Amino acid sequence: EVQLVESGGGLVQPGGSLRLSCAASGFTFSSYWMSWVRQAPGKGLEWVANIKQDGSEKYYVDSVKGRFTISRDNAKNSLYLQMNSLRAEDTAVYYCARTRIAAADLWGQGTLVTVSS
Amino acid sequence: EIVLTQSPATLSLSPGERATLSCRASQSVSSYLAWYQQKPGQAPRLLIYDASNRATGIPARFSGSGSGTDFTLTISSLEPEDFAVYYCQQRSNWPPRWTFGQGTKVEIK
Repeated sequence: EVQLVESGGGLVQPGGSLRLSCAASGFTFSSYWMSWVRQAPGKGLEWVANIKQDGSEKYYVDSVKGRFTISRDNAKNSLYLQMNSLRAEDTAVYYCARTRIAAADLWGQGTLVTVSS
Repeated sequence: EIVLTQSPATLSLSPGERATLSCRASQSVSSYLAWYQQKPGQAPRLLIYDASNRATGIPARFSGSGSGTDFTLTISSLEPEDFAVYYCQQRSNWPPRWTFGQGTKVEIK
């Protein structure tokens, strides 16, 4: 079955760190750009980061630059998002998404990150 | 940064009616414009990519049009399962960053 499954979300204090994972199956993971997209409670979608097939190119939304790092392990069919210096405004459901040209054609179910003391 | 503005914010229609959703960009986005549908508690689903191409498995009642700065998603005849929130999204040429519109909610009248 073609799917993406996120994990690693949870409750973290402001200033803390969290690492999200996304396990891909059913398709050739190494052939696709991948993305992270988040959605704050009751709000719209916000793109967070993209990574090229071989990991050589990475792009971030300005609000997470220097704090978040996207990475991938093609041997493990996995995508990651290391989140440091977390803030209350980072509270959201984080989705990983397979990226086809300029759109996300496959999404995971999301993992909730809550930043609160 | 390219800003996408969707209108209207809410569209109140009855099943069987035609829905027309607009997405306007602050500058030209070429054809890198996509549309997604999201239902409560679910992940978004890709409907349209490259402005006018239906994604795999998407019914023909969904169509996309436009270029440059003005784009439209049309649902020709609303089915009960089409009541949801719709987002447009663009990818800038370089660097390849994305932005989303704020969404249009299609609700049952």
